Amino acid sequence: GNSVTQMEGPVTLSEEAFLTINCTYTATGYPSLFWYVQYPGEGLQLLLKATKADDKGSNKGFEATYRKETTSFHLEKGSVQVSDSAVYFCALSQNYNQGGKLIFGQGTELSVKP
Amino acid sequence: EPEVTQTPSHQVTQMGQEVILRCVPISNHLYFYWYRQILGQKVEFLVSFYNNEISEKSEIFDDQFSVERPDGSNFTLKIRSTKLEDSAMYFCASSETRTNNEQFFGPGTRLTVL
Repeated sequence: GNSVTQMEGPVTLSEEAFLTINCTYTATGYPSLFWYVQYPGEGLQLLLKATKADDKGSNKGFEATYRKETTSFHLEKGSVQVSDSAVYFCALSQNYNQGGKLIFGQGTELSVKP
Repeated sequence: EPEVTQTPSHQVTQMGQEVILRCVPISNHLYFYWYRQILGQKVEFLVSFYNNEISEKSEIFDDQFSVERPDGSNFTLKIRSTKLEDSAMYFCASSETRTNNEQFFGPGTRLTVL
């Protein structure tokens, strides 16, 4: 079946450090891939997405590239800020354009220290 | 900015009792979803709803669960007879169309079954 695996947290970084959160997936065909972020006390918010192989999603300095050959969608940011502290979820959808469900990884907590 | 709202933020109930979790999706959205996250585990899909009927449901969504859109604005999840293992954070989400299926999430309802 379809599944998403993320690196375990928590990840603790100093401000301005480089961030990578690994995400790999198992799916048939060509799923759409997503990163969602959850700030304390809030719902999940879409951070970025990629709907086909080699697409790069980007938003707020975060980037992730859809790599079909390695079935990966790693999240990166060149210089993190304290305000980036949150839980990050990688997800896939098999039928994005048909109202399809999201399948999530377990989430990775990021803590950025000043 | 429009947002998905959920009430209550925290619900405590006794095992065997019925609970109704309420969601108000974004007003022009047509697709509605419920997800849940048991503490320390992945966010899991429960059900999707479109045009006043269930589009897809997971194995978790058994006969104890039901959804309804009673008045054109609210979207509810009912659990008929709660079990201890139903304790989780329940997230509602909505999306506008099939071709723009960005799912917007509410802040969640924490359900505690005693």
